[in-house]
Amino acid sequence: DAGVTQSPTHLIKTRGQQVTLRCSPKSGHDTVSWYQQALGQGPQFIFQYYEEEERQRGNFPDRFSGHQFPNYSSELNVNALLLGDSALYLCASSAGTGGYNEQFFGPGTRLTVL
Amino acid sequence: GNSVTQMEGPVTLSEEAFLTINCTYTATGYPSLFWYVQYPGEGLQLLLKATKADDKGSNKGFEATYRKETTSFHLEKGSVQVSDSAVYFCALSDRGGYQKVTFGTGTKLQVIP
Repeated sequence: DAGVTQSPTHLIKTRGQQVTLRCSPKSGHDTVSWYQQALGQGPQFIFQYYEEEERQRGNFPDRFSGHQFPNYSSELNVNALLLGDSALYLCASSAGTGGYNEQFFGPGTRLTVL
Repeated sequence: GNSVTQMEGPVTLSEEAFLTINCTYTATGYPSLFWYVQYPGEGLQLLLKATKADDKGSNKGFEATYRKETTSFHLEKGSVQVSDSAVYFCALSDRGGYQKVTFGTGTKLQVIP
């Protein structure tokens, strides 16, 4: 079992550009959540996808969007990048959306915006 | 909204010392509570969890008890090892559907030989 995988590992972009991050959930999982972890901070919830729909969203602007594919993998898109978007982006998967269901985290994608 | 407050670090302990990392939370209803650990250069790992009041989560010698009356979930370990050096995050999620995990800011633990 490969666990949760994310690509790319690192990414450098400039202000105003757009970026797409990818996530493959753990085998058997159908729910994907995305988090932003700024340096020295705890992860902040961005949104969650289940059955190819955004089910819940945190306090992030519309520049952050996502998609879930029929195979449960997911993408996070960020438009019009700002310096403050520099962070570690974590993907987490779970089997279902219940609060009891453990989320497994991927290693993250480190995004640097210059 | 939900929030988690945990003691600021870094915490530096000698090997075999007793560890306590305090965590308190604010939430509506009855959340599930978690401790996650992030080792240097690695992703977040679930360390332990508790899903209802008075439950005790335990793993790898760490334990924490869900205290509804004090809205707390303090992490403890009787004898820390150098390999326990990491950042520890207290977190909660709402019960029911569409879980959204709210994390604390993390406490960095350094254990010295």
